[in-house]
Amino acid sequence: DGGITQSPKYLFRKEGQNVTLSCEQNLNHDAMYWYRQDPGQGLRLIYYSQIVNDFQKGDIAEGYSVSREKKESFPLTVTSAQKNPTAFYLCASTQPGGTGLGETEAFFGQGTRLTVV
Amino acid sequence: QKEVEQDPGPLSVPEGAIVSLNCTYSNSAFQYFMWYRQYSRKGPELLMYTYSSGNKEDGRFTAQVDKSSKYISLFIRDSQPSDSATYLCATGTSYGKLTFGQGTILTVHP
Repeated sequence: DGGITQSPKYLFRKEGQNVTLSCEQNLNHDAMYWYRQDPGQGLRLIYYSQIVNDFQKGDIAEGYSVSREKKESFPLTVTSAQKNPTAFYLCASTQPGGTGLGETEAFFGQGTRLTVV
Repeated sequence: QKEVEQDPGPLSVPEGAIVSLNCTYSNSAFQYFMWYRQYSRKGPELLMYTYSSGNKEDGRFTAQVDKSSKYISLFIRDSQPSDSATYLCATGTSYGKLTFGQGTILTVHP
């Protein structure tokens, strides 16, 4: 089955610690995204990548870093510089460049809930 | 001002009611309009998609877009308890980057 796999489902971080969230897709999509979801805030874009070895900052990139070495993988690192990292993190992918729904429908993973302890 | 505004609710209705969910957006460059449904502790799933102004119907769901007033609506007829979820409106441009509203929490009680 094609889809997006995020791991782990739950993650606990100590103060001052970096943690990495995994996102893997087998949809052969070029574009991948990381969103953060907080109650009452909707989804806010952290980083996105439209092609391998290239990525762009989203609206709230401070304290986060990403890499895109392979088409199917887009890991997100939450660094110690992110002062309020407790949130639900969602990874998504799209296949831009076509027309109509195919270029904009985002497929989401099941999310990683990160908690600072 | 956020590019997409959505009333977060929460909204509670009895089973069988008609539900109206709404968003406004500010960027005229947005070309695509979507509604995602998100169940608790899950990732969002695409529910409805429209490209132009007007109505689009799919079963009990109707999506409505008015580009002149930058207004997006989702109507749910004969609402069911299984419709209880968070509904997120989203807008996009041709290169695939989406902008989401805050999401509206809907509860349909038997």
